[in-house]
Amino acid sequence: AQTVTQSQPEMSVQEAETVTLSCTYDTSESNYYLFWYKQPPSRQMILVIRQEAYKQQNATENRFSVNFQKAAKSFSLKISDSQLGDTAMYFCAFIASTSGTYKYIFGTGTRLKVLA
Amino acid sequence: NAGVTQTPKFQVLKTGQSMTLQCAQDMNHEYMSWYRQDPGMGLRLIHYSVGAGITDQGEVPNGYNVSRSTTEDFPLRLLSAAPSQTSVYFCASRPQTGDTEAFFGQGTRLTVV
Repeated sequence: AQTVTQSQPEMSVQEAETVTLSCTYDTSESNYYLFWYKQPPSRQMILVIRQEAYKQQNATENRFSVNFQKAAKSFSLKISDSQLGDTAMYFCAFIASTSGTYKYIFGTGTRLKVLA
Repeated sequence: NAGVTQTPKFQVLKTGQSMTLQCAQDMNHEYMSWYRQDPGMGLRLIHYSVGAGITDQGEVPNGYNVSRSTTEDFPLRLLSAAPSQTSVYFCASRPQTGDTEAFFGQGTRLTVV
């Protein structure tokens, strides 16, 4: 079975500091993709960053970067220079093809609060 | 630039009532899906569709029906609402390839009393 685990239900960080959100996954597929989505209080789901499993280089989007450890099946999200607007629920997600259909599997989420 | 339009945003139902959550997308995406979001459980897949006329069950399909008569629309029907269906529901769409992001509707907060 394919699973995504986020072991930190809640985290907090001071404004301008750096925080890392953890995510591990389990799959027997060799070709897959990993994502981090952000859900602010507005409830809208927003893509933060994505990583292709066959790429060794870690993805980066402005203040957001990932630490992708394929052998360990780990995909953590680092937020640098945290801002109040980063306060949100963050979901790690994994997608792989099963019988030719790609389906997302989401983790349970980490609620991040950025403190002023 | 509508993206994924989901209605209604809020709904209260009585146990046993039926209703349909509407979802429409204007991006010509093949893949559409419905999720429910419950505290501590993330997003769980209810039903999905890979194109008009093709639907399949996800992780938690019981109590829900879907149909896909057009590429644009993917309604979710609650047949006989139960308190266990109190949740936030999201519709999402994306092209049917692996590396693309999913585009989500604004969500529907459904309460069954």
